[in-house]
Order: sequence, then structure tokens, then C-alpha cells
Amino acid sequence: AQSVTQLGSHVSVSEGALVLLRCNYSSSVPPYLFWYVQYPNQGLQLLLKYTTGATLVKGINGFEAEFKKSETSFHLTKPSAHMSDAAEYFCAVSKSGGSNYKLTFGKGTLLTVNP
Amino acid sequence: DAGVIQSPRHEVTEMGQEVTLRCKPISGHDYLFWYRQTMMRGLELLIYFNNNVPIDDSGMPEDRFSAKMPNASFSTLKIQPSEPRDSAVYFCASNWGGVGTEAFFGQGTRLTVV
Repeated sequence: AQSVTQLGSHVSVSEGALVLLRCNYSSSVPPYLFWYVQYPNQGLQLLLKYTTGATLVKGINGFEAEFKKSETSFHLTKPSAHMSDAAEYFCAVSKSGGSNYKLTFGKGTLLTVNP
Repeated sequence: DAGVIQSPRHEVTEMGQEVTLRCKPISGHDYLFWYRQTMMRGLELLIYFNNNVPIDDSGMPEDRFSAKMPNASFSTLKIQPSEPRDSAVYFCASNWGGVGTEAFFGQGTRLTVV
């Protein structure tokens, strides 16, 4: 079974600073990996995803993530944080192949951006 | 498309009452998922459907929970009887089940059982 671990339930950065949110996965087969963002009182919105091909994936709002198979990681980064980035971020994994398309989510990381 | 539509957005009910949450998936999507979000447990998958058929309900916490999908454009999640520990945000999501497809989420229903 696949699983996701997000290190740090809460990350606080200053506006303009680098954002780094960590995600490690466990999967018995090559995974598909996703990052979602959730703003207060909203549903989850896809930021980016990795399926195959290029391991550096660019998403919306200036975020990107790199799939590192050797480290079983898919960390999310943004060079310069904006106040509007304050939200909760979820990493998710699904299995490649077969007919299992359900997503398994991590516990989430709450990002606070300080002025 | 308007996206995944859930109703109601907020529900407050008394313990013991029946609660029904509703979801309209995105047209053309073959898969529908119900998730529950709490502070303690995060996002949990309760059940998912493929072509209106329940595929995996192993996440349904107990028999008080039931879900149906009578047609491709409508699903319900019912709790009967409701308990305070059922208080959470319930999300519905859908996708078309292709390789590496993401799930599209509704806005959620915030359920409070008092």
C-alpha cells in the first residue's frame, strides 16, 4: 500500500523567503505524486503533479517540485514566498498501473507567511 | 463546467439525527470519491465509486455511514444516526480515472453534530 509522510505540520517563513515543504512517499510500484493547496474554508486545488518524464515539475503560483526516486521524496519549493501563499498544503500519492486511481494524502503542512 | 458541487456547505444537526450530504461530480468523470477531513486524522478516504458502482468502502467508519450513487451525476453520503464525533468537513471529489489523473474537489460540507 502506498503512503505519504509530510515532515512538519507547520512551516513559517518570511515574505520573500524560500518555501520548502517536505514530502516522502512509500510505494511498491512507481508512484504518481501530487501537491494540493487548501485555502481556508475551501476545497483542495491541484498545484502540480508528477506522472512520468521530467522529474522537475512546475505548477501554478510559482511552485515546483522534484521527484527523487533514490530519496523517495517529492518536496515542494517556491523561491520567494508571498502573503497569498499562506494555506495548507497536501502531498498525495496514487499507484501507477492497474485500475486503482484513489489518492492517499499526507497529514498536511500549514504554511504561514510573515510580513 | 461548474466543478464538483456539494450541498449543503454547512450542516448543524443534533446527535441522533439523520444527515445526508450531496455531491454532483464533474460531467464525464467516471470516479467519485468521498473524503473526510478532521484535525486529528487529516484527509481520509471513506469510499469511492467507478461508473456508479462502489469499489472500495473500507474507509467507511461504521455501519452508520452509507453512500450511494444512483446515477453518474449524483451521489449521497448518509449518516444515521449522527454522533458528535462525526463532526468534520466532508469532501467529494471526482476524476475520469485516466493514467495519473488528479482528483477534482468540491468545496466541502462542514458538518457539526451537537
